[in-house]
Amino acid sequence: SAVISQKPSRDICQRGTSLTIQCQVDSQVTMMFWYRQQPGQSLTLIATANQGSEATYESGFVIDKFPISRPNLTFSTLTVSNMSPEDSSIYLCSVEDPGRGGYTFGSGTRLTVV
Amino acid sequence: GNSVTQMEGPVTLSEEAFLTINCTYTATGYPSLFWYVQYPGEGLQLLLKATKADDKGSNKGFEATYRKETTSFHLEKGSVQVSDSAVYFCALSLYNNNDMRFGAGTRLTVKP
Repeated sequence: SAVISQKPSRDICQRGTSLTIQCQVDSQVTMMFWYRQQPGQSLTLIATANQGSEATYESGFVIDKFPISRPNLTFSTLTVSNMSPEDSSIYLCSVEDPGRGGYTFGSGTRLTVV
Repeated sequence: GNSVTQMEGPVTLSEEAFLTINCTYTATGYPSLFWYVQYPGEGLQLLLKATKADDKGSNKGFEATYRKETTSFHLEKGSVQVSDSAVYFCALSLYNNNDMRFGAGTRLTVKP
């Protein structure tokens, strides 16, 4: 199955600033998914990123707040813009795992906004 | 819509106790069902899956059976260990693994 390298693993940021999270996959994948996991809660899909096209955002998430890049089939970034304490969460990227079924996840980025 | 309802936690058990974490689903089609595990400070890992009715997924001593008649996919383990302490998520997907939906997660703590 695919291996995902996600960074940074954690960060503490000042409100009003932006953070870019990177995910590198060791194989080419069509779609990459970005999730948010708020403290003590389940995962919520933010957006789906296809290479060569704009990301598709779920209800409640907008491109201005969470811009996504997908420059090639192995890499994607998610930026959390103009952060507030409510953005403190774990952010995870994932890809399909056709061999095993389900998704493979990165190790997550634990973001704290102060 | 498609959704998963998962037994709320936290669940605290003694080592070697029997574990059940309930999961039921609602879906418009025939979903694939999954259990994921999240160990402290880590991302999610696929624990087991089942893709059709009556399939049983199993891994690391954990089992879950896809029950279409009760729309359930309960996770079980006969004898838990301290190392099983984690958060467990039930999930479903339709349409070739797109649109994965997760339950709320159940935190399991196993005490020696």
